[in-house]
Amino acid sequence: NAGVTQTPKFQVLKTGQSMTLQCAQDMNHEYMSWYRQDPGMGLRLIHYSVGAGITDQGEVPNGYNVSRSTTEDFPLRLLSAAPSQTSVYFCASSYSGVRDILQETQYFGPGTRLLVL
Amino acid sequence: AQSVAQPEDQVNVAEGNPLTVKCTYSVSGNPYLFWYVQYPNRGLQFLLKYITGDNLVKGSYGFEAEFNKSQTSFHLKKPSALVSDSALYFCAVSDTGRRALTFGSGTRLQVQP
Repeated sequence: NAGVTQTPKFQVLKTGQSMTLQCAQDMNHEYMSWYRQDPGMGLRLIHYSVGAGITDQGEVPNGYNVSRSTTEDFPLRLLSAAPSQTSVYFCASSYSGVRDILQETQYFGPGTRLLVL
Repeated sequence: AQSVAQPEDQVNVAEGNPLTVKCTYSVSGNPYLFWYVQYPNRGLQFLLKYITGDNLVKGSYGFEAEFNKSQTSFHLKKPSALVSDSALYFCAVSDTGRRALTFGSGTRLQVQP
């Protein structure tokens, strides 16, 4: 299994540009999420999904859109990039099973480093 | 609202000495608690978790953590530190019925040879 994969690894954008960060997992996990990591602030949840067709907002959703058309993919869209969105973005997934979703271990991708000029 | 505090930005310890990385939490129900580690330019890797049961949880690479309900703490420990343990450590929490983890701000562990 490849686990959780993210593309691109690094991206430079100009203010106002749009782009999509890709995330895919091959573990048949129902739960997927996007975090951003900023120095001194840990990881903050942007959006998450508990299954195909179901998404919800996290702590810092403004400026980002998501969709979940398949179990495997969970892309994150920046609608109009701003310098404040310069960050490292991590995608994560976990198995839902029959227990509470948040009991399960999350598996993280390697991250996408985004610079907005 | 749930929250996690990691009061130390950095912990320095000599190789071979015991280490502790502190974490306190606040949730409205019974907590699910996790420790993750991040090596440079890598994603987070799972170390251990507490869901229920024994308060002492053993995890990967010789790490363990003790759940203390009265002090709302979940400190990460290791009896003998290795230089290769140097990394960024994150504590995370959720509770029953919620759908997202809350992460602490992270503690950088530096183990000196």
